[in-house]
Amino acid sequence: DTGVSQDPRHKITKRGQNVTFRCDPISEHNRLYWYRQTLGQGPEFLTYFQNEAQLEKSRLLSDRFSAERPKGSFSTLEIQRTEQGDSAMYLCASSLGQLYGAKNIQYFGAGTRLSVL
Amino acid sequence: AQKITQTQPGMFVQEKEAVTLDCTYDTSDPSYGLFWYKQPSSGEMIFLIYQGSYDQQNATEGRYSLNFQKARKSANLVISASQLGDSAMYFCAMREGGAGGTSYGKLTFGQGTILTVHP
Repeated sequence: DTGVSQDPRHKITKRGQNVTFRCDPISEHNRLYWYRQTLGQGPEFLTYFQNEAQLEKSRLLSDRFSAERPKGSFSTLEIQRTEQGDSAMYLCASSLGQLYGAKNIQYFGAGTRLSVL
Repeated sequence: AQKITQTQPGMFVQEKEAVTLDCTYDTSDPSYGLFWYKQPSSGEMIFLIYQGSYDQQNATEGRYSLNFQKARKSANLVISASQLGDSAMYFCAMREGGAGGTSYGKLTFGQGTILTVHP
């Protein structure tokens, strides 16, 4: 059973460029989350998918950010026209969501560290 | 207002000793879950332990236990018999609402506590 996989692990880009990150969740997990973590802070929620449906987006997710999960399996997070303030660790998590009584434990990938120069 | 507060930026413990990492939370939702994660320098968030708001007993997972005091809204993590490999950042997190509730299970994290285990 493989864990959550994120690619790339590191990305360095110039301001104004577009970047795309990929997340492969644990295979049977129907829920997928994206978080952003800046240095010295805890992760902050960005967006959530249940299967292929994007059900919630944080106000942190400006219109330069878009996330997809086209077939309910892997997900991509794209940032257009990157800014220096986008520099952070982007974490993906997945869980097996159940309606009642479940712990809904989120298992995280190792993250993609983005540096915008 | 902060929903999760971790007041200890850094903690030091001697190998084989026990250590308590503090976490207080704020919610008006009667149904919630509390989580602790470990983040080593490699960056991956590792799930350690979970406590549900309706759980009668404190959660335990191996060397980890959660001291859950509902009236005080605290959920402190106790690590017994510390090991050098326990040196990492530790985050407390909360999920409001039930597992299938409108929060969809998103987690709110505290700012973390860096634990250093000395030999």
